[in-house]
Parts: sequence; C-alpha cells; structure tokens
Amino acid sequence: GAGVSQSPSNKVTEKGKDVELRCDPISGHTALYWYRQSLGQGLEFLIYFQGNSAPDKSGLPSDRFSAERTGGSVSTLTIQRTQQEDSAVYLCASSLPSRGTQYFGPGTRLLVL
Amino acid sequence: DQQVKQNSPSLSVQEGRISILNCDYTNSMFDYFLWYKKYPAEGPTFLISISSIKDKNEDGRFTVFLNKSAKHLSLHIVPSQPGDSAVYFCAARYQGAQKLVFGQGTRLTINP
Repeated sequence: GAGVSQSPSNKVTEKGKDVELRCDPISGHTALYWYRQSLGQGLEFLIYFQGNSAPDKSGLPSDRFSAERTGGSVSTLTIQRTQQEDSAVYLCASSLPSRGTQYFGPGTRLLVL
Repeated sequence: DQQVKQNSPSLSVQEGRISILNCDYTNSMFDYFLWYKKYPAEGPTFLISISSIKDKNEDGRFTVFLNKSAKHLSLHIVPSQPGDSAVYFCAARYQGAQKLVFGQGTRLTINP
C-alpha cells in the first residue's frame, strides 16, 4: 500500500510569512509524528498525535509552531512568521498504536530567505 | 544536551568488508533502540531494532548489539554492499513514550 506522503516536497518562503506543511499518514495508522532535521543534525521531535488523545506538543520550539490532525488522518504543521532558523527538512511519520515502528515520509524541505 | 550521540560523522568501508556504526546514549530510561537508514531526498527507513532486555538482534546482514552497562549500541553490516551507502541514524525511545530521540547520523560510504 501507499506510504506516508508529504506536500509540498520543497517550499521557499520569505522571512515573516506563514507556511503550511501537509502529511498524509499510512491508512490505518493512528499515531502520527512530526520531526525536523536541520542541516547536519539529527531528527528533532516536534509533536505527536495518537487517536483522539491530546497531542504531545513538548517538542514544538516556539508558539509560532502549531499542528492539527483532522479526522484522525491528515495532519498540517503550520509555522507562523517564519524565521531563517526554521529552515530545515520537516519529516512526518506514522505508526500503528502500541509503540509500533514509525514509517517516515520523504519530508518537506523548507527554506526561509 | 545530546542524549543520543553518533560520534563518527562519516565512515568509509570497502565492499565485502564489515561496517560497524556506533552510538552512545546517556539516559538509562531508554528501553528501545532503533537504527534507520536514509538516502538523499528520502525519509528515513527503519532497519532494525532492539529492546533493552536483549543484547543482540540479527536480521540478515544486519546485527545490532546493545551494551547497557556502557550505554552503547552498534550496528554491524556484513558483508557491506554499495547499496548500503547512506546516512544511518541511531534512535532511542523512553519507557512508556512514543517519540524517538535521534543521533546526528553517520554517513556510510561503501567503496567498490
């Protein structure tokens, strides 16, 4: 079946603009995660959704970052008033419940000029 | 504070030889460890994992070893193949948690 998909694959924006990144998880996966990878760094956890439970937002770096998951499927990560340090690859992953293996999408490469 | 560390940013190995990638961690609350492989412009792909109650897990050419007393794990690939050239990430998960904590990655290059 289809894997995790993300859109857009690349995004260039100007400092101060808002951006929205989309993630479509694997069908049937109730857990969804957002990570980001800055240049030369490992993946950094941002936020986690599991079913109807309150999301774990402990990794969001500032209140400019927010995410939602509609209908228990598609998720959108929104970055308001983007800054140059937000430039990174934003990766989405999904898994079955009970701490299953996380399967990653190809990522969205965000460049803030 | 880097809780999962991969101290070698790169590693070069001859085709057919053994590749050994290392990972150290600082938090004893981690109870599950994973290795992911990443090609350019793609997301990480799950490779192999190990629970903290074990010291070894093997899957084909890939073996992961865990030394809890040293807070160290390693990934062995034997024999190494050109298609193994990629960035390898070590990741760890806390007891009862879902999120993964990743190392910085090691770029493995297999030379023909």
